[in-house]
Amino acid sequence: GDSVTQMEGPVTLSEEAFLTINCTYTATGYPSLFWYVQYPGEGLQLLLKATKADDKGSNKGFEATYRKETTSFHLEKGSVQVSDSAVYFCALSPMGANSKLTFGKGITLSVRP
Amino acid sequence: DAGVTQSPTHLIKTRGQQVTLRCSPKSGHDTVSWYQQALGQGPQFIFQYYEEEERQRGNFPDRFSGHQFPNYSSELNVNALLLGDSALYLCASRTMLGRIIGGSDSQETQYFGPGTRLLVL
Repeated sequence: GDSVTQMEGPVTLSEEAFLTINCTYTATGYPSLFWYVQYPGEGLQLLLKATKADDKGSNKGFEATYRKETTSFHLEKGSVQVSDSAVYFCALSPMGANSKLTFGKGITLSVRP
Repeated sequence: DAGVTQSPTHLIKTRGQQVTLRCSPKSGHDTVSWYQQALGQGPQFIFQYYEEEERQRGNFPDRFSGHQFPNYSSELNVNALLLGDSALYLCASRTMLGRIIGGSDSQETQYFGPGTRLLVL
């Protein structure tokens, strides 16, 4: 079945540091890929998405590129802020009308001033 | 434009009891999915409702059941609660038409509610 693997956490960075969070997936066909963010005490918010190979999703300075050849969707940001501290989840949704999301375990990011 | 709302926000039950959680989808959405998020884990898909019918189901026992009403709102019921059912229960909504036709970004996106945190003692 479908699965998503995220790098182990937590991750602690200083403000303005470069961020990379790795995500790889296993799925048949061409799934859509997502990054969701969960701030403390809140539900999930969509951060960015990509629906086909080589697509780049971007939002709020975060970027991720859909790499079919390496089945990856790594999240990057050039300069993190304290307000980026949250839990980040990589997820996939199969192609077609099926919209079930399969999530990774999530990784906690803490950014210190 | 109200987003996805869930009630209650917190709930405490004891083993063996039954619980009902409620979700109102984002305006214009007709499809509701439920997820269970255990502490420190990613959300796990429970089931999805569209046109008042369960369309997909994840790997959850029959103790977990649901319902969708004509106004698209939904309920999640869990019977015979176990300690392991303690989790954050998330509701997500979207438009099925948007998914099928590959509509605008807002149509394809699933929007999540804030969740209901259930504690089983």
